[in-house]
Amino acid sequence: GQQVMQIPQYQHVQEGEDFTTYCNSSTTLSNIQWYKQRPGGHPVFLIQLVKSGEVKKQKRLTFQFGEAKKNSSLHITATQTTDVGTYFCARRGTNAGKSTFGDGTTLTVKP
Amino acid sequence: DAGVTQSPTHLIKTRGQHVTLRCSPISGHKSVSWYQQVLGQGPQFIFQYYEKEERGRGNFPDRFSARQFPNYSSELNVNALLLGDSALYLCASSFRLAGGGGEQYFGPGTRLTVT
Repeated sequence: GQQVMQIPQYQHVQEGEDFTTYCNSSTTLSNIQWYKQRPGGHPVFLIQLVKSGEVKKQKRLTFQFGEAKKNSSLHITATQTTDVGTYFCARRGTNAGKSTFGDGTTLTVKP
Repeated sequence: DAGVTQSPTHLIKTRGQHVTLRCSPISGHKSVSWYQQVLGQGPQFIFQYYEKEERGRGNFPDRFSARQFPNYSSELNVNALLLGDSALYLCASSFRLAGGGGEQYFGPGTRLTVT
């Protein structure tokens, strides 16, 4: 199936530094979703991108979908300790409840 | 409004036993999906039900089965448990089957340990 690969697997930053995680696919994606899972918690839907070159912002988070629709990125500006968690990208299937997830990037933030 | 609820929270079973996990979707949501999340990995899709019909099945053996009830709640059943079935089982609900913003809302999960 269409797998999505995420890099890096882990990222440790000092509070206030920026953070970026990347999601790549060998095939063209019709959409890309991003989720956040806090330690011990469950995935929380953040956003879905569907258009080539699309850029969306949520406060300090910037999501981008590549022009070729084969990659995506999530950038966090000036990280805070509340940003700690694992960020997953996922490809939504034909139906809304059928997503294929990457293995995530785990972010730790040192105060 | 209540979010997606799942029961039980934690479960310990022995190899060979069977288990039933339960999920109640957000009120008004007709689609329920089940995912398995092994430690250190992303959730892996198991089943999706919409309006009580199976609408998708992931790459899991026949030991895994599910159903959706008229009130849209759902059960996931796993027979002949193996050690490798130890994982966090997540239920997610969504309002639409397709279209919209693609949002699906996850419950807190059931942590299954097989010994």
